Amino acid sequence: GAVVSQHPSWVICKSGTSVKIECRSLDFQATTMFWYRQFPKQSLMLMATSNEGSKATYEQGVEKDKFLINHASLTLSTLTVTSAHPEDSSFYICSASYSRGRGTEAFFGQGTRLTVV
Amino acid sequence: SQQGEEDPQALSIQEGENATMNCSYKTSINNLQWYRQNSGRGLVHLILIRSNEREKHSGRLRVTLDTSKKSSSLLITASRAADTASYFCTAYNNNDMRFGAGTRLTVKP
Repeated sequence: GAVVSQHPSWVICKSGTSVKIECRSLDFQATTMFWYRQFPKQSLMLMATSNEGSKATYEQGVEKDKFLINHASLTLSTLTVTSAHPEDSSFYICSASYSRGRGTEAFFGQGTRLTVV
Repeated sequence: SQQGEEDPQALSIQEGENATMNCSYKTSINNLQWYRQNSGRGLVHLILIRSNEREKHSGRLRVTLDTSKKSSSLLITASRAADTASYFCTAYNNNDMRFGAGTRLTVKP
């Protein structure tokens, strides 16, 4: 199956700093990438959807200036949490989708646990 | 939205029993996927079923899809304690893929 690599798997940062999370599709070109956030014991919430070369579409309630998404190539999307605060501590997961003969499929990275202290 | 919604929210069974979880969605889909997540960890892809398929098997897993009812079910046969996890479905349609609240499965040894 297709592989999506997310890096880092965990990060601790100080309040006020910015953190960048990378999501790479290793063996396919991803037409669309999705970013999710998960709070403890809750489901994954879609934050934004991004297509290569265009601006990301953010879900209602997600601050686009706070969570910067860049999808500069078909194999890489980044999520930057700017001026992080403790309430931004969460589990962030990306997924990448691509279309092939039998339809469109999506695969997930392993997630990044962000702790802001 | 294309949210998958699972039920039940929680399920507790004895080892060896079968576990059935259901998922409903709202509009047409390309495919539907089931994932498992152990506490505090990433997602493990279990199975994908396409909109033109009605049933798929993978080991002890059986997934059905009823597009007329916009629903899917995941059956885990002969459950094991290691199957204890949260199970999510996602109904995928082009640029929309969201998760439901999930079913928390507990398998007691």
